[in-house]
Order: sequence, then C-alpha cells, then structure tokens
Amino acid sequence: QVQLQESGPGLVKPSETLSLTCNVSGGSVNSGSYYWSWIRQPPGKGLEWIGYIYYSGSTKHSPSFKSRVTISVDTSKNQFSLKLSSVTAADTAVYFCASGPPLVGLDSWGRGTLVTVSS
Amino acid sequence: EIVLTQSPGTLSLSPGERATLSCRPSQSVTSTYLAWYQQKPGQAPRLLIYGASSRASAIPDRFSGSGSGTDFTLTISRLEPEDFAVYYCQHYGTPFGQGTRLEIK
Repeated sequence: QVQLQESGPGLVKPSETLSLTCNVSGGSVNSGSYYWSWIRQPPGKGLEWIGYIYYSGSTKHSPSFKSRVTISVDTSKNQFSLKLSSVTAADTAVYFCASGPPLVGLDSWGRGTLVTVSS
Repeated sequence: EIVLTQSPGTLSLSPGERATLSCRPSQSVTSTYLAWYQQKPGQAPRLLIYGASSRASAIPDRFSGSGSGTDFTLTISRLEPEDFAVYYCQHYGTPFGQGTRLEIK
C-alpha cells in the first residue's frame, strides 16, 4: 500500500475551477499496477466515484461529471491531480484520493479534504 | 453505466447478531473487480473485501463476501461494536452503491 495526501484550497467560488493534488509516497505513480482515483462525499451523503488515471495517462471518469473533470499525473512530483470546472454549491464535498490495483480494489486512501463552494 | 443497488438502506441489529448486506449490479459484472468498503464517521473508507470474496489485509474473518453476476453479499458473522458503520460496494472504476448503514438496535 502507498500513502496518499490530498492538498488544495478549501474554498472555491462558484463557476471557478476546483483544483486538488494527491501526493503519493511509498510508491510510484509510474507503477503499472495502480489506478489513481478521485472520490468525493457531499456532506451527509454517500461516496461518489469521480474517476481515475492510469500511469500511461489513460483516464476514465463518471458520466455524471460530463466534461467538467480533468485528471492528470505528474511523474516528476509523484503526484496526481483533479480539476473540476464550473463548480456550484453541489460540488461541496470531502474529496478523497485513493489507489489500488483493479484486482485488489482501492486499498489506499488519503484522509480527505473538504472543499466548500461559496462566494 | 453499471448501477449498483444496495439493500437494505439501513440495517438495525445487535452485537453478536449476523448481518447480511446485498449489492445488486444493474448488469452482470465480473466478480474479480467487486469490492466492499467500510466507512466510519469522519474517516476515509477502508477496503474490506476484493474479488467479491477475498478479505483485505488485517480484516477479521467474521467478514466474508460471496456472489457472482448480479447478486453479491457481504456477511458479518457476529457483529462487534466496531462494525457499526456504513458499507459500500463498488465494481472497480464505476460508481459506488448508495451504501447500507449498519446501526445498533
């Protein structure tokens, strides 16, 4: 298992872009075994899968986010990132980064970071 | 897109009882990629079961998973006080189920 830590602004204005980074330690984002994922949880609600990126750069995201989501990886910094554009109050949530091989599931999680969308 | 439906929404049981949680995909899925997670308030989820039936590292053997296709089950054989939490299923790379809240009766 790797260790993951989310970072980024805790407050974002409506219509702007939410940007978060997940720092990876104890492993490499270049690992061919792992998919690097983002999940969020609105206050009092369930887990919402956002998407993932593979070390090759291929991505998949939930259709719920349409074209608002960009997930990228920075191998030089051993981290991966999430950008969510045109945010509204409905995007207020705790955002988690997570990883794990598909055959094992998401066995490593960050602690989560609360992002509030408000003017 | 695969939709996972979990039932019941809330399960009220007492310590020592057996818990049975259901996860039903909207279409047949490969059990290889079916996982269960436990989440306690204020914490990140924790992987319990992967490949539908394999326990993750350090997960007690009172937790077991089974199923295939469109019908999967998480069973907790004898509930301990620390097992009362919310449980989610997921097929890797698709949305989570809506969760089952396991509460103390």
